[in-house]
Amino acid sequence: KAGVTQTPRYLIKTRGQQVTLSCSPISGHRSVSWYQQTPGQGLQFLFEYFSETQRNKGNFPGRFSGRQFSNSRSEMNVSTLELGDSALYLCASGKDREEGELFFGEGSRLTVL
Amino acid sequence: GENVEQHPSTLSVQEGDSAVIKCTYSDSASNYFPWYKQELGKGPQLIIDIRSNVGEKKDQRIAVTLNKTAKHFSLHITETQPEDSAVYFCAASNTDKLIFGTGTRLQVFP
Repeated sequence: KAGVTQTPRYLIKTRGQQVTLSCSPISGHRSVSWYQQTPGQGLQFLFEYFSETQRNKGNFPGRFSGRQFSNSRSEMNVSTLELGDSALYLCASGKDREEGELFFGEGSRLTVL
Repeated sequence: GENVEQHPSTLSVQEGDSAVIKCTYSDSASNYFPWYKQELGKGPQLIIDIRSNVGEKKDQRIAVTLNKTAKHFSLHITETQPEDSAVYFCAASNTDKLIFGTGTRLQVFP
C-alpha cells in the first residue's frame, strides 16, 4: 500500500513569490492535514480537509491556503513568500478524524531566499 | 488555547538503558494521544497511541501511560538500541485537531 506522497520534495523560492505544494494521501483516506515544521516552532497545524471541505484551520495568515480535490489529493499554496516561511511542510492523511491516526509524508522542504 | 508541553528536549542514554519522555496537555477534552518518531530527513511515523479510556498500552519495547486526571502521558522505551535514536513527538487530540509537543531528541550511545 503506497504511503503519503508529497511533491516537490525540495524547492527554493525568493521573497514575494508564491508556491504550491501537493499531497496524495493513502488510498481510501479522505482526511488530509497540513503542518509546518520549523526548528523553533516545532509542528504547527495549518489546516485540515475532509471530502473537499476545510474542517479546521490553524493560526496562520491568509497567505496560506489549501484545497482538496474529489480524489482526496490536496494542495496548499503560500502567496507573497517571506523568509520566515522557510520550513518543512508536512502532509498527513487519515481515514477520518474519529479514527485519530495520521500518516505523514516525507514533507516538502521550502527555502525562501 | 490548546497546548502540549514535552520534556526533556534532549535525552542521552546508554544502549540497553530505558528512556522516558513526558508530556502534559491543557485541553481536558483531549481523548487521543499518539507518539511519533521522526528520523532525519523523514516525516514523523506513528509508533504507538493511546485513547482516553485506557491507562496503559504496550507494544514490545515501547509503552505509553496516561493519567487523565493529571493530564499527563508518557512514553517508555526499554532496552534502547542505537536505531531508537531520533526525535520523538507526543500529541493530543480532541477529534478537532492534533496538537504536537515540541519534540525530544533521543540519542542512544552504543
